[in-house]
Amino acid sequence: AQSVTQLGSHVSVSEGALVLLRCNYSSSVPPYLFWYVQYPNQGLQLLLKYTTGATLVKGINGFEAEFKKSETSFHLTKPSAHMSDAAEYFCAVSDNNNDMRFGAGTRLTVKP
Amino acid sequence: EAEVAQSPRYKITEKSQAVAFWCDPISGHATLYWYRQILGQGPELLVQFQDESVVDDSQLPKDRFSAERLKGVDSTLKIQPAELGDSAMYLCASSFQGGTSYNEQFFGPGTRLTVL
Repeated sequence: AQSVTQLGSHVSVSEGALVLLRCNYSSSVPPYLFWYVQYPNQGLQLLLKYTTGATLVKGINGFEAEFKKSETSFHLTKPSAHMSDAAEYFCAVSDNNNDMRFGAGTRLTVKP
Repeated sequence: EAEVAQSPRYKITEKSQAVAFWCDPISGHATLYWYRQILGQGPELLVQFQDESVVDDSQLPKDRFSAERLKGVDSTLKIQPAELGDSAMYLCASSFQGGTSYNEQFFGPGTRLTVL
């Protein structure tokens, strides 16, 4: 069975600082990996996804993530945090049958 | 831009009452998902439809929850009777079942349920 572990339920950074949100996965098949963002009382918006090919994936709003098979990781980064990045971020893993499993989420706070 | 529609956005009900949520997927999307997201946690799949058929409802509490997608388009999720522990965000998602091995899921805005 697949699973996702997000390290750190809360991350706080200063505006302009590097954002790093950690995600490790477990999967018995080559995984599809995702990062979603959720603003209060809203649905999930896809930031980026890895399915096949290049392991460094670029997404919306300046975010990117790198698939590292040897480390079973898919960490999310952004070089410079903006106040509007404050939200809940979810890492997810899926198999060929679209059985998607989400992590518990990381709340990102951006300090002025 | 096509979106997944859900209603109502917010629902407050009393324990033991019945509640229903509605979802209209993106046109042409054959697969529809209902997720439950408890505050502070990630979404968990309740039920997955392929057209009008249930593909996976292993995590649906069938003693009180039911879901249908009669014509293979929109869907309704019902809870009867509601319990305090059902307070959560209920998310609907849809995906296009095409020829590729992976089909992206698009999420609606969710229904926030509060059971008093």
